[in-house]
Amino acid sequence: QVQLQESGPGLVQPSQTLSLTCTVSGGSISSGDYSWSWIRQRPGRGLEWFGYISSSGNTHYNPSLKSRVTVSRDTSKNQFSLKLSTVTVADTAVYFCARDYASGWRRIDVWGQGTMVTVSS
Amino acid sequence: DIQMTQSPSSLSASVGDRVTITCRASQTINSYLNWYQQKAGKAPNLLIYATSSLQSGVPSRFSGSGSGTDFTLTISSLQLEDFATYYCQQSYSTPWTFGQGTKVEIK
Repeated sequence: QVQLQESGPGLVQPSQTLSLTCTVSGGSISSGDYSWSWIRQRPGRGLEWFGYISSSGNTHYNPSLKSRVTVSRDTSKNQFSLKLSTVTVADTAVYFCARDYASGWRRIDVWGQGTMVTVSS
Repeated sequence: DIQMTQSPSSLSASVGDRVTITCRASQTINSYLNWYQQKAGKAPNLLIYATSSLQSGVPSRFSGSGSGTDFTLTISSLQLEDFATYYCQQSYSTPWTFGQGTKVEIK
């Protein structure tokens, strides 16, 4: 059974870069019909998709965030990562990593537990 | 981006009630519509994909229907563990977008 676990700082200063890592167990991020996504949920608000990295290493980003977002991977560690640059208080949120079933009827079928990131000085 | 609009934003219901939540897309998404359940402090959990396909392990009291732009999630007989927030999501085109959520509360 695939499991995902986010890790990273819980506090980031404004204008800095937020960096999070997702460690995947029970399956390889470089095989199968899957992409690997980042999604956030700001306090009291809905869900916002950042983008994904495919099993072949291709990336695809939300245009509204594209200029600030980088998703990358380390296949030797079976991890993928999110970098969000120039953060503001509006980037305070719970950040989830997730598995995106990428063949046919696409859906997000496995989620990490989420990690809270606060942007504050 | 495709906008997803859910209604109602919240509802109160009793155990055993039949509950219906609707989701409307700003353009046709064929049947690329998924439903998630989120409990407080937890990650969302996939309930239904491709409008009406039940995810493995999800109770059969959950069902989905619709096509094009209008979709429905139905809980046939509400159970205590179903009190949560429900989100629809389109997977027709990126960026994936979600509805704003429907909170199901105990009456």
